[in-house]
Amino acid sequence: GENVEQHPSTLSVQEGDSAVIKCTYSDSASNYFPWYKQELGKGPQLIIDIRSNVGEKKDQRIAVTLNKTAKHFSLHITETQPEDSAVYFCAPGGNQFYFGTGTSLTVIP
Amino acid sequence: DGGITQSPKYLFRKEGQNVTLSCEQNLNHDAMYWYRQDPGQGLRLIYYSQIVNDFQKGDIAEGYSVSREKKESFPLTVTSAQKNPTAFYLCASSMGARGSNQPQHFGDGTRLSIL
Repeated sequence: GENVEQHPSTLSVQEGDSAVIKCTYSDSASNYFPWYKQELGKGPQLIIDIRSNVGEKKDQRIAVTLNKTAKHFSLHITETQPEDSAVYFCAPGGNQFYFGTGTSLTVIP
Repeated sequence: DGGITQSPKYLFRKEGQNVTLSCEQNLNHDAMYWYRQDPGQGLRLIYYSQIVNDFQKGDIAEGYSVSREKKESFPLTVTSAQKNPTAFYLCASSMGARGSNQPQHFGDGTRLSIL
């Protein structure tokens, strides 16, 4: 199956700073790259996704960039706010059977 | 509002007991999934179903069973053969079948503990 690695595992930033989380994958046939946000006691929710025919996608303060050659994609959050504190997961591939191990983001007010 | 409903929110299992976790969706999605999440870890696939009356094992299916008799429903049974069932269980659904590049919609989980 797909080998997915996500870094860092924990990340603390000051409110207003930027945060970047990276996801690497092994299956070169993967062509769908979503990021999910999980708040405490809840299920994950899709926050942004990108397909392989696009290199970057932006939605207000969040963006995803894709490097298919190097087989990694990244989540960028700018102007972080306390409500961004959560665990973030990547799940590359059309099946999305394999999730990264998660990044716990803490935004310090 | 369309979505996925998991019940109960908390469940306790005694030794040797089978328990069933409920998952219902009203999104008219074809595919449904069950994942297990352990503290500080990612999601691991238990079972998935692309269509009614059909389901496939994921990486950690041992000790679990499922059924898919209706499109809206995908219950998971944790059997007594699962020796370490304490975890957070998540159900999800997506439009389209395997490899369809569609996002998954998740319920809010069931937390299972051993008494």
